[in-house]
Amino acid sequence: DAGITQSPRYKITETGRQVTLMCHQTWSHSYMFWYRQDLGHGLRLIYYSAAADITDKGEVPDGYVVSRSKTENFPLTLESATRSQTSVYFCASSGVGNEQFFGPGTRLTVL
Amino acid sequence: QKEVEQDPGPLSVPEGAIVSLNCTYSNSAFQYFMWYRQYSRKGPELLMYTYSSGNKEDGRFTAQVDKSSKYISLFIRDSQPSDSATYLCAMTVPGGGNKLTFGTGTQLKVEL
Repeated sequence: DAGITQSPRYKITETGRQVTLMCHQTWSHSYMFWYRQDLGHGLRLIYYSAAADITDKGEVPDGYVVSRSKTENFPLTLESATRSQTSVYFCASSGVGNEQFFGPGTRLTVL
Repeated sequence: QKEVEQDPGPLSVPEGAIVSLNCTYSNSAFQYFMWYRQYSRKGPELLMYTYSSGNKEDGRFTAQVDKSSKYISLFIRDSQPSDSATYLCAMTVPGGGNKLTFGTGTQLKVEL
């Protein structure tokens, strides 16, 4: 499928478990981003990547790890999930222009 | 204080009304301005994109930027129930690595 996809769409996990959220885009966009969206906080940037093998922290990076070995994939890992990481996670990509295009989101619940 | 301020609403209007959504910002270096629409349980989708000051029109939607007042607006004419969504403003600086600064979003409900 063309565009940007995220998997899984829904995930329930337990405190302390490792969770990986996947993001895949077919546009060959250089930039990719991970956000979390919580009521009252809007979209908060977790990590971003300007190209394969180049990543940098955003506003709320603690407890998260990213990698980008291929241009089209940008997985986000919660190394040891906590309840405060219950949220909706959005991946986005951006190319030559600076507008971002978002995936459908992953709704994560940490029990 | 946040760099971008946006009234969260909710804003409820009757069908056919003109809607005005607004954001204020503090960073005078912002040059590119966007509006995203987000339906419930969906990802944000780009609605309007403007550069610097002025107006841009696309169908029933008009985006307006007033850099002197650090104020941007989105107008929706002849609003429809299908316009019910959360609207987020976003902005960035030149050479900013394509990172956007978002408002928290305004929830709009258009009632029949």
